[in-house]
Amino acid sequence: GAGVSQSPRYKVAKRGQDVALRCDPISGHVSLFWYQQALGQGPEFLTYFQNEAQLDKSGLPSDRFFAERPEGSVSTLKIQRTQQEDSAVYLCASSLVGLSTEAFFGQGTRLTVV
Amino acid sequence: EDKVVQSPLSLVVHEGDTVTLNCSYEVTNFRSLLWYKQEKKAPTFLFMLTSSGIEKKSGRLSSILDKKELFSILNITATQTGDSAIYLCAEGTSGSRLTFGEGTQLTVNP
Repeated sequence: GAGVSQSPRYKVAKRGQDVALRCDPISGHVSLFWYQQALGQGPEFLTYFQNEAQLDKSGLPSDRFFAERPEGSVSTLKIQRTQQEDSAVYLCASSLVGLSTEAFFGQGTRLTVV
Repeated sequence: EDKVVQSPLSLVVHEGDTVTLNCSYEVTNFRSLLWYKQEKKAPTFLFMLTSSGIEKKSGRLSSILDKKELFSILNITATQTGDSAIYLCAEGTSGSRLTFGEGTQLTVNP
């Protein structure tokens, strides 16, 4: 595609509900990143994939957060038993050569947990 | 722990003014310093700086890095209302992650 595509753009979840956020990277991009951006803050790193391999998941805040990229293209970030503090914009980025410095960001998914 | 601090956190100017946004960093394994513009939600890439003292320029925007004093500045001359956005500074170190600052919210009034 022309850019990184994320869906849904907005998600409202009741506390305790599970959610799944999708990221469709730029075609051919090897690397994929997930960031969490709370209101008024800069994005914070969650996890990184190179193809289907999750090489760094040290930024995931708890074991309720899980990400996968089974075929090395589309990725899904899953949050189980959502809590109010999970409310944020979740940004996905992809890059061609594995360097985060050349990453292109998607529009993000705004998650609101009520 | 790597840290990026931006100042000011918010800035309001009039069209035509020149602004300077600041970014300081503390890192253990510096590789690059990046600037992004964030309108709505998606950050868009502006500059990547790796060497001290070399100015990067794109139209009315320019940026420079000082690796000795560990800071960078982003200048915008002759500001326009379309420059209103959050400007994010990030440093890229070892591995794959970018560490972002809180951002500077710039508002340009007509």
